[in-house]
Amino acid sequence: GAVVSQHPSRVICKSGTSVKIECRSLDFQATTMFWYRQFPKQSLMLMATSNEGSKATYEQGVEKDKFLINHASLTLSTLTVTSAHPEDSSFYICSARANNYEQYFGPGTRLTVT
Amino acid sequence: QKEVEQDPGPLSVPEGAIVSLNCTYSNSAFQYFMWYRQYSRKGPELLMYTYSSGNKEDGRFTAQVDKSSKYISLFIRDSQPSDSATYLCAMSAGGGSYIPTFGRGTSLIVHP
Repeated sequence: GAVVSQHPSRVICKSGTSVKIECRSLDFQATTMFWYRQFPKQSLMLMATSNEGSKATYEQGVEKDKFLINHASLTLSTLTVTSAHPEDSSFYICSARANNYEQYFGPGTRLTVT
Repeated sequence: QKEVEQDPGPLSVPEGAIVSLNCTYSNSAFQYFMWYRQYSRKGPELLMYTYSSGNKEDGRFTAQVDKSSKYISLFIRDSQPSDSATYLCAMSAGGGSYIPTFGRGTSLIVHP
C-alpha cells in the first residue's frame, strides 16, 4: 500500500522558536497533500490543503503566516510552525491523496512547545 | 448540527463479539464513504471505502451505507484485542470536491 512518512515524529521546542515538519509520499506521487491537527480524543481538524507548485489553501481560522506550508515537489510537503507558543502544542498529521478518494496518512508529529 | 455525527464512545466489548460502529450525516451530496482506524499516537489508516449505497466486505470487516437514511456502519466480526483503536468515519462529495469530512471517531476497546 501507499506509504506516507513524517519527520520528526516528536519534537519539543521553546516558545518563540520555529519548527518544520516534513511529509513525504514514499512510493507514489501526491498532487495534493493535507495538513491536519488533532487534539486528544478529538477528530482531525483540517488546517490546509497543499497542491504541488501552488500556494496552500487554508481553512477558516488557520493563520497562514503562522503555519507556513510549502509543497515543493510531488512527494514532499512541509509545515513550518513559526514563533511557536504552548497553545500550538498538538498532534500534527499530514496525508497525501493518490487518487480521487483515497488519502494515506502519515504517522503524525507530536509537537510540544515549552 | 455537525455535518458528520459519530458517538465518541468508548465502546467496550469482549473478545469475539460483533462490533457495530456508526455515523450519521446531513449532507446528501456525500457519495464516498470511508472508515479509518487510528491507533493511539499514530496516523489514521484507511480500512474501507464504499461509493454510494450498499455493502462491502473485507475479511472480518463489513461497511454498509444507507444513503436514504444518511447512515453508515462498520461491522467487525470476531473482534480481537488488536482491534482496540479509534475508528473514524469520513465522507466526501463527488465532482471536484474530494476533501473528506471526518467524524470525531469512536474509541473501541476489545477486552480479552
